[in-house]
Amino acid sequence: GESVGLHLPTLSVQEGDNSIINCAYSNSASDYFIWYKQESGKGPQFIIDIRSNMDKRQGQRVTVLLNKTVKHLSLQIAATQPGDSAVYFCAEMHSGYALNFGKGTSLLVTP
Amino acid sequence: SQTIHQWPATLVQPVGSPLSLECTVEGTSNPNLYWYRQAAGRGLQLLFYSVGIGQISSEVPQNLSASRPQDRQFILSSKKLLLSDSGFYLCAWSLASSYEQYFGPGTRLTVT
Repeated sequence: GESVGLHLPTLSVQEGDNSIINCAYSNSASDYFIWYKQESGKGPQFIIDIRSNMDKRQGQRVTVLLNKTVKHLSLQIAATQPGDSAVYFCAEMHSGYALNFGKGTSLLVTP
Repeated sequence: SQTIHQWPATLVQPVGSPLSLECTVEGTSNPNLYWYRQAAGRGLQLLFYSVGIGQISSEVPQNLSASRPQDRQFILSSKKLLLSDSGFYLCAWSLASSYEQYFGPGTRLTVT
């Protein structure tokens, strides 16, 4: 279950640098993964997804890497911009309908 | 294109009062619909999902209920709110054939 705590892990990067946000999942049967971006007070916004039969997928400035051996997912953002500052969630699908969300990582981009 | 609406955007209700949050989707037919709750500083918890009119599945037992009176309308209700019901409530939709879920703007509920 969830651990208690109100403080999200925070990643601080300088504008223009690359960002890497990590996520560990527990269910080896999960076959679909999504990364969402959530700005303060708004609903999560879909960024990129990947199925378990892939280990890498690229989008515009974003890349998702999936390592099923160690059950690890990462989101790489190239040339991070101030508008990328947000909380990023990974989510896994393991029951057909229910997305299981991680607690999120707060990304802070500094000038 | 598809859009999803939620209202109200914010709501302050006293303990013991009823609740009704509404979600509607435009631009698609027979979507899967979802209600999530997000507590401060935490991830999203799935509360209910629906694959069709009148079909509701509950993920977490609590004093909330959901209904789907029309294909693109999803309602979250409570007869008596608890303090612990405070949070950010998000509605989402997906195509029946897809895992991708798209979220609405959310409703911030504060129970006092």
